Amino acid sequence: EAGVAQSPRYKIIEKRQSVAFWCNPISGHATLYWYQQILGQGPKLLIQFQNNGVVDDSQLPKDRFSAERLKGVDSTLKIQPAKLEDSAVYLCASSHSRQGRNTEAFFGQGTRLTVV
Amino acid sequence: GDSVTQMEGPVTLSEEAFLTINCTYTATGYPSLFWYVQYPGEGLQLLLKATKADDKGSNKGFEATYRKETTSFHLEKGSVQVSDSAVYFCAMNSGGYQKVTFGTGTKLQVIP
Repeated sequence: EAGVAQSPRYKIIEKRQSVAFWCNPISGHATLYWYQQILGQGPKLLIQFQNNGVVDDSQLPKDRFSAERLKGVDSTLKIQPAKLEDSAVYLCASSHSRQGRNTEAFFGQGTRLTVV
Repeated sequence: GDSVTQMEGPVTLSEEAFLTINCTYTATGYPSLFWYVQYPGEGLQLLLKATKADDKGSNKGFEATYRKETTSFHLEKGSVQVSDSAVYFCAMNSGGYQKVTFGTGTKLQVIP
């Protein structure tokens, strides 16, 4: 089966500019996650969708970050305006999980963002 | 809140040495536990998993046992190879909506 697709793979922007990332999860996966992975650290959950509803966005900097998952399939993550500290790899993942267990998350290759 | 703690790296071992990377967790309820691996320049891949107490996950010679009494899921391998050089992340899947929480990662370098 096809994996989680993300684009672009790399992006360089100046601070205060805006940027958007796109994710297409594995077909049939109800749960979609966006993570931020700063160099040398573990992935930090930004937002989790169940179908097209948000179930956790407690660590999303809502003054500058936004995400949507229209129709419960593809998702976009936007940063506006970007700051230097937003430089990181942004990972999208998806899983089968609904209210069940035993499911792992499958990750895309990530988008490496550099803010200069 | 829910969290995962793993030993800090980097860990440097000679080829064929024994590997242990410690991982402990704090969770309400009954999480599933995972080890993910990130090879240089690649994305996160699931290495192994365990879903209930005393389960042992295994893959590519790596093993980890879900220990509820010590809330641990330590990763082990009897004889590491240069190709095992990567960053290893302990993670858990918990809560009603299966939130996936990661540890900070442990970088392993295996030298010939």
